[in-house]
Amino acid sequence: EAGVTQFPSHSVIEKGQTVTLRCDPISGHDNLYWYRRVMGKEIKFLLHFVKESKQDESGMPNNRFLAERTGGTYSTLKVQPAELEDSGVYFCASSEQPGQGDNEQFFGPGTRLTVL
Amino acid sequence: QKEVEQNSGPLSVPEGAIASLNCTYSDRGSQSFFWYRQYSGKSPELIMSIYSNGDKEDGRFTAQLNKASQYVSLLIRDSQPSDSATYLCAVKNTGKLIFGQGTTLQVKP
Repeated sequence: EAGVTQFPSHSVIEKGQTVTLRCDPISGHDNLYWYRRVMGKEIKFLLHFVKESKQDESGMPNNRFLAERTGGTYSTLKVQPAELEDSGVYFCASSEQPGQGDNEQFFGPGTRLTVL
Repeated sequence: QKEVEQNSGPLSVPEGAIASLNCTYSDRGSQSFFWYRQYSGKSPELIMSIYSNGDKEDGRFTAQLNKASQYVSLLIRDSQPSDSATYLCAVKNTGKLIFGQGTTLQVKP
């Protein structure tokens, strides 16, 4: 069974540009999460989808970040326009059961974003 | 106070020893606790989950949970150089995971 996949693995862009990150969860997983780790800090939650619906977007830093999950399969996270402080590693995770049960989250390899 | 706290280390142990990794959390209502292992440049890999007070063993790994003290630990027996990695403690809060900064473990041959 394939794990969580993310694309691209690395992205280097200039301040003001737009970048779109993609996450493909494990097949059949309804829950999809985005997290971010900026240098020197802990991994922090951004948002949570249950199928195509945003369950919790309390961690989104500002309105420059837009996440979508059309059709409840893969998800995209767009940053527009990118700022220097957006640099970091963006992780996607998925879990099997809907709701807030004791379901375990499995992480993808991450996208390392560098904003110059 | 951070929601999940870990000593960043590095924690250095000789090969074959027991490595003890500790984590405290601030939300007394937390119910689910996880340990992830992360090698440099790789994704966090789930190694243990624990939901009830006490010990949970899986191979060389034992997770310990004490909700009264708001304390979670991970013991690695017979540590191997391949166990050298960053260990992340995570606490589930309304679906999302709250992570500590991670403890770097170095197992010396």
